[in-house]
Amino acid sequence: AQSVSQHNHHVILSEAASLELGCNYSYGGTVNLFWYVQYPGQHLQLLLKYFSGDPLVKGIKGFEAEFIKSKFSFNLRKPSVQWSDTAEYFCAAFYNQGGKLIFGQGTELSVKP
Amino acid sequence: GAVVSQHPSRVICKSGTSVKIECRSLDFQATTMFWYRQFPKKSLMLMATSNEGSKATYEQGVEKDKFLINHASLTLSTLTVTSAHPEDSSFYICSARQQGGKLFFGSGTQLSVL
Repeated sequence: AQSVSQHNHHVILSEAASLELGCNYSYGGTVNLFWYVQYPGQHLQLLLKYFSGDPLVKGIKGFEAEFIKSKFSFNLRKPSVQWSDTAEYFCAAFYNQGGKLIFGQGTELSVKP
Repeated sequence: GAVVSQHPSRVICKSGTSVKIECRSLDFQATTMFWYRQFPKKSLMLMATSNEGSKATYEQGVEKDKFLINHASLTLSTLTVTSAHPEDSSFYICSARQQGGKLFFGSGTQLSVL
């Protein structure tokens, strides 16, 4: 079955710490991959996306993600987090076969000032 | 964990007909529900925000009369695509916000208008 798994439910970091959020997707043919962020009280915003090409994708606000096909992973990274990065982060995979957008469960990130 | 059920998962309809998509929060009360649309190879686009018992707030460029949203109870919101046309073919997804602020997503509805 097509699925997306985010391993960390809640991550707590201090400011300036490095961040890596895990995301794995199940095999299901060609996929497009996304990371979304939801800040408290707001709706989803797109952080970055991968369709093809360079597996290292850079997004907004200093975030980046690396697509590793052999591991079915698309982990999100940021070298130095800020308090304003406190939010919920969602990984999503769009499976072209079947045309379904599958979201991970979400990871809550809390950054302590 | 909390579950949001979205139905149907796939619908094919003729041009000119109306289609209703349901979004239910199964084990929590959702004060706010969001409806998104995704075009192929693009990210989600927020269509509207609906609060229980009040009119939905539509994003700029989204036709209110075309996409009717009803949030009649704390566990159910519906999106009706009226007089659907082929350009309305898309993937629609809802999300429900739990009272503590956590957001849960439905599994989406693939609409194909012939």
